[in-house]
Amino acid sequence: GQQLNQSPQSMFIQEGEDVSMNCTSSSIFNTWLWYKQDPGEGPVLLIALYKAGELTSNGRLTAQFGITRKDSFLNISASIPSDVGIYFCAGLPEYGNKLVFGAGTILRVKS
Amino acid sequence: NAGVTQTPKFRILKIGQSMTLQCAQDMNHNYMYWYRQDPGMGLKLIYYSVGAGITDKGEVPNGYNVSRSTTEDFPLRLELAAPSQTSVYFCASSPYSAAQYFGPGTRLLVL
Repeated sequence: GQQLNQSPQSMFIQEGEDVSMNCTSSSIFNTWLWYKQDPGEGPVLLIALYKAGELTSNGRLTAQFGITRKDSFLNISASIPSDVGIYFCAGLPEYGNKLVFGAGTILRVKS
Repeated sequence: NAGVTQTPKFRILKIGQSMTLQCAQDMNHNYMYWYRQDPGMGLKLIYYSVGAGITDKGEVPNGYNVSRSTTEDFPLRLELAAPSQTSVYFCASSPYSAAQYFGPGTRLLVL
């Protein structure tokens, strides 16, 4: 079945730095979603992308739907301690009706 | 709106016991899902429903059962608990099959 490769697996950055993470696949996706999960909580939807090339922001977060439809990127600018958590990408395959999830990127921020 | 609610938050079961994990949503979403999340892993789909009276298997349905008698509720049943079912269970709902909204999770320990 379709798989999503999410990288990096983890990041430990200084407060104020920018963060980039991505999700890639060998298959085409129609929708890309980015979620954040805080410890002991459920994933919270951050950004949804529905068109190839689409660039969408949510505060300090910006995500892009790759032109090839096989990847997506999430950037966080000027990181703060509350950005700590696990970030998951998820995609809806071109020929499918169920979301596929990446394994997550663990973000730690040093203040 | 409360969104997606799940009960209980935490439960310890003995091997062979049964239990029902409750999930409810007040957003009038047609689609509902059950996932499990094992430590350091992404989300795996157990069962899903596209509307009241309609359910279907996901990636890891063995050992579980679901029912969907109303739009609001989507309980997950474990009949004979096994240690392999120790996990965190998340319920989610969506108005269509893409952007899903998650509950806070149920942590289950089977001893």
